[in-house]
Amino acid sequence: AQTVTQSQPEMSVQEAETVTLSCTYDTSESDYYLFWYKQPPSRQMILVIRQEAYKQQNATENRFSVNFQKAAKSFSLKISDSQLGDAAMYFCAYRSRRGGSEKLVFGKGTKLTVNP
Amino acid sequence: DSGVTQTPKHLITATGQRVTLRCSPRSGDLSVYWYQQSLDQGLQFLIQYYNGEERAKGNILERFSAQQFPDLHSELNLSSLELGDSALYFCASSPNPGLVYNEQFFGPGTRLTVL
Repeated sequence: AQTVTQSQPEMSVQEAETVTLSCTYDTSESDYYLFWYKQPPSRQMILVIRQEAYKQQNATENRFSVNFQKAAKSFSLKISDSQLGDAAMYFCAYRSRRGGSEKLVFGKGTKLTVNP
Repeated sequence: DSGVTQTPKHLITATGQRVTLRCSPRSGDLSVYWYQQSLDQGLQFLIQYYNGEERAKGNILERFSAQQFPDLHSELNLSSLELGDSALYFCASSPNPGLVYNEQFFGPGTRLTVL
């Protein structure tokens, strides 16, 4: 079974600075998807960024980018120019491309605090 | 707003009781997923339905059951409730397993408190 590990329960960053959240995963599959979700205090789960395993190019969405290292099974999220609104729980998630289910496997999350 | 609706937003009940959580997917989405978020277990997949049929089952207790109706809305039934069932229950929906990302859109969740 696949597992996702987020080794940083909490992180903090100064407003306008850059922060990187770590995520590693364990799988025997070669084709899969990886996601970062944000959960602000409202509890809504919001997709931040996504990556296909067979694409070597790292995904980027505005101030959010990932560093995808397939061999190392690492998928870190970089937030540039951090804003107060970025404060939230961030969850890394894995999804197999194997047929039968599209379930997401989540890590335990990293709580990000943004200091003004 | 993701387009996924869940009712009720909050539910307070007693041990041993039974409750029903309801989810309406985004227009056009065929798959519905249920996830449980608790402090000790984190976010866990419970069950997935696709076009009315059960597609995958995760760590769902036998006391829990779900179904997806012809109009594609879904209900999660929780019975013989225990204190440990207190959690945030999310519903998510996605268009079609054949799509590349088949992105899941999450509802606002139902906060269940068992006293």
